[in-house]
Amino acid sequence: QVQLVESGGGVVQPGRSLRLSCAASGFTFSSYGMHWVRQAPGKGLEWVAVIWYDGSNNYYADSVKGRFTISRDNSKNTLYLQMTSLRAEDTAVYYCARWAFDIWGQGTMVTVSS
Amino acid sequence: EIVLTQSPATLSLSPGERATLSCRASQSVSSYLAWYQQKPGQAPRLLINDASNRATGIPARFSGSGSGTDFTLTISSLEPEDFAVYYCQQRSNWPNTFGQGTKLEIK
Repeated sequence: QVQLVESGGGVVQPGRSLRLSCAASGFTFSSYGMHWVRQAPGKGLEWVAVIWYDGSNNYYADSVKGRFTISRDNSKNTLYLQMTSLRAEDTAVYYCARWAFDIWGQGTMVTVSS
Repeated sequence: EIVLTQSPATLSLSPGERATLSCRASQSVSSYLAWYQQKPGQAPRLLINDASNRATGIPARFSGSGSGTDFTLTISSLEPEDFAVYYCQQRSNWPNTFGQGTKLEIK
């Protein structure tokens, strides 16, 4: 079935880096743009980044621009989010979602704390 | 960045009643507005695309309307499983943005 599975979350100290992955299955991954969306504990949804189906274009939320990088490997059906210079306010559940937001993963928790 | 303002923040209703949720954009988003439902511990679920098109598998009791800056999600007769948080999202401009959410609770 159509599925997205995130991984790579955990506890990390402020200023450090972390890479999230999102494994896609059940659809032609290389035909779809992909998003990352996050949700801080008890808060609403925040769109983070998007990448085009072929990796040719991307956009970021101002809150992560210059610190986070979205990428993809279509040969591995996998989306990535490289997060650097992490801050306490980056603590959240991170979801990947297909282009039209019709398919979401279950999320992976990132906690930035010393 | 386009700001979406949802109202009310909390809506208390009983099963069988009609729910009306609002979303106002700080500038026109044409019809590029979506609605989502989120239950505790779950990922959001897409309900409505392009302001008024129900996503696959969404019951007919959910409907969306509006264009430009003012949008409405209506649930015609609440079922017990409809009590959740609802978010609107604009897809007109980058960055895409979400509203702050409306919590629909059982009265």
